[in-house]
Amino acid sequence: GAVVSQHPSRVICKSGTSVKIECRSLDFQATTMFWYRQFPKQSLMLMATSNEGSKATYEQGVEKDKFLINHASLTLSTLTVTSAHPEDSSFYICSASTKGVYGYTFGSGTRLTVV
Amino acid sequence: GQQLNQSPQSMFIQEGEDVSMNCTSSSIFNTWLWYKQDPGEGPVLLIALYKAGELTSNGRLTAQFGITRKDSFLNISASIPSDVGIYFCAGFGGTSYGKLTFGQGTILTVHP
Repeated sequence: GAVVSQHPSRVICKSGTSVKIECRSLDFQATTMFWYRQFPKQSLMLMATSNEGSKATYEQGVEKDKFLINHASLTLSTLTVTSAHPEDSSFYICSASTKGVYGYTFGSGTRLTVV
Repeated sequence: GQQLNQSPQSMFIQEGEDVSMNCTSSSIFNTWLWYKQDPGEGPVLLIALYKAGELTSNGRLTAQFGITRKDSFLNISASIPSDVGIYFCAGFGGTSYGKLTFGQGTILTVHP
């Protein structure tokens, strides 16, 4: 149980375009989902917390207009990187939790390369 | 914000050796989690600890929740090549309510 599916696993896009990453909880309802960014050989950096049906809460320093988060249902959250630039290239990972469960489950990550 | 200090940053060991890594914090956490991340993948939960002093095993892995609730360690016994990866500790609770706080990670390399 507690499977989180993240898609796509890899994406290459041109500078200036937008990219959408999906995060789905397959066998449970996720009241809260988290989006992380990770640079090579570094730890996970929390970008934002999304709660179903409400606006996402962004961490300090994260541009909410560049990283649009939508959590329209209890099983799906999306992260859209708008007007992507090479410096947005990174590994993006989502995780999902449901009320009362402390073992947050992570997706398999998305490698974004902006050229 | 809260920080977890994880050490060592990296380890190079021979197959069959035991491994130990730990995390410390200046803040109290209610839950300690240990994750392993393979290259190009998301972290996978190894062990979850919910009570101070709790000692939990998962196969060759053993982890403990420190009595002070400010530290935790993870031991891997008789390492094998597939143990290679990055290990992260994570704390839940404290002042960052609802969010996980991650350690910096320990990069483990196992030589056959």
